[in-house]
Amino acid sequence: DTGVSQDPRHKITKRGQNVTFRCDPISEHNRLYWYRQTLGQGPEFLTYFQNEAQLEKSRLLSDRFSAERPKGSFSTLEIQRTEQGDSAMYLCASSLSFEQGQETQYFGPGTRLLVL
Amino acid sequence: GNSVTQMEGPVTLSEEAFLTINCTYTATGYPSLFWYVQYPGEGLQLLLKATKADDKGSNKGFEATYRKETTSFHLEKGSVQVSDSAVYFCALMGTSGYSGGSNYKLTFGKGTLLTVNP
Repeated sequence: DTGVSQDPRHKITKRGQNVTFRCDPISEHNRLYWYRQTLGQGPEFLTYFQNEAQLEKSRLLSDRFSAERPKGSFSTLEIQRTEQGDSAMYLCASSLSFEQGQETQYFGPGTRLLVL
Repeated sequence: GNSVTQMEGPVTLSEEAFLTINCTYTATGYPSLFWYVQYPGEGLQLLLKATKADDKGSNKGFEATYRKETTSFHLEKGSVQVSDSAVYFCALMGTSGYSGGSNYKLTFGKGTLLTVNP
């Protein structure tokens, strides 16, 4: 299967702990996105990479959040000093840069985080 | 900023009924419009898309037409099946008008839960 994969699928942690999630995009895709989805809401954009460069970050991404994409392949999203409000589904998507308006983002299955 | 408003759910239909899920948007420039579907326990899957006014996206019997005059992208299916039960999300990918470049982030509606009963 060559879709977007995410690991772990589920994570339970205690408040104040650090967590790290991994996303492996579709292999030829140069763009990678992180979104957060809370219960009953649509996904909200967090950040975006083109190759290894992080080009945009949402104001939702506080200083406790950091994302990397070394070598322009997989990406990691780390949350430091987790808070209960961080409980959500974290979604990763990837796409291939294309002419304006033509690209499609493909989503992974998500990592569900529960902070106790 | 960009926003998407879609029909509040849940929607419950009998098999073979007609489905409409309304979606309207606010955006500058000429956004691309999408419908994604999320089946229970699975990730978001692209259902269909349209990239310019009057385009019709279609897939698996679902259709939606990009109406710029009404800023709408309503999802329709003539005869739903039990297997269509899922959450449906309308989304847009905007453009940054003054620079002419693309705004690559998707803006989603809140989602509409569809349940189809046999």
